[in-house]
Amino acid sequence: EDKVVQSPLSLVVHEGDTVTLNCSYEVTNFRSLLWYKQEKKAPTFLFMLTSSGIEKKSGRLSSILDKKELSSILNITATQTGDSAIYLCAVYSGGSNYKLTFGKGTLLTVNP
Amino acid sequence: DGGITQSPKYLFRKEGQNVTLSCEQNLNHDAMYWYRQDPGQGLRLIYYSQIVNDFQKGDIAEGYSVSREKKESFPLTVTSAQKNPTAFYLCASSPLGGRFNEQFFGPGTRLTVL
Repeated sequence: EDKVVQSPLSLVVHEGDTVTLNCSYEVTNFRSLLWYKQEKKAPTFLFMLTSSGIEKKSGRLSSILDKKELSSILNITATQTGDSAIYLCAVYSGGSNYKLTFGKGTLLTVNP
Repeated sequence: DGGITQSPKYLFRKEGQNVTLSCEQNLNHDAMYWYRQDPGQGLRLIYYSQIVNDFQKGDIAEGYSVSREKKESFPLTVTSAQKNPTAFYLCASSPLGGRFNEQFFGPGTRLTVL
């Protein structure tokens, strides 16, 4: 059974801090790892990492995939209160069911 | 605008009642999914469908049913057999055949059993 573990489960920081969120996985046939940000409603897509694209960056957010360690990190620099959200990690292991396996998420709170 | 819509936004149900949650997409995606989200639990897959008139159980299908009569629509029925239905329900879709399976989510329906 595919498994995705995120840590920490919750994190409180002050504006301007840098944070690192972790995601580790055990899947039978890794295809991609996806990061989503969820504020109040729908998760919104941040990054997708694959064997051919192990590092992504967008503004203050960046993510790296470590295929050897079966893990990924999501970095947020110079955090703002608008970064407060649940960050979800999901892994796609291919196969005919197109199923994503999600971790439990990291709840990030950025205080002013 | 292309996207996924879910209705209603909030739903209240009495014990013993069946309720149906709507999910519609105009992204021309083949695959659609239903997830349940509980606090501290992340997203868990209820049902998914890759083509019209076909669907498969996910990890927590008991007490739920679905139909896929049209490509655009994938309604979820929460039956009275679901013992703990209070949760946030998310519908998603993705293009079939994509190698990496990026899924797009609707705004969700929050179901409360009174």
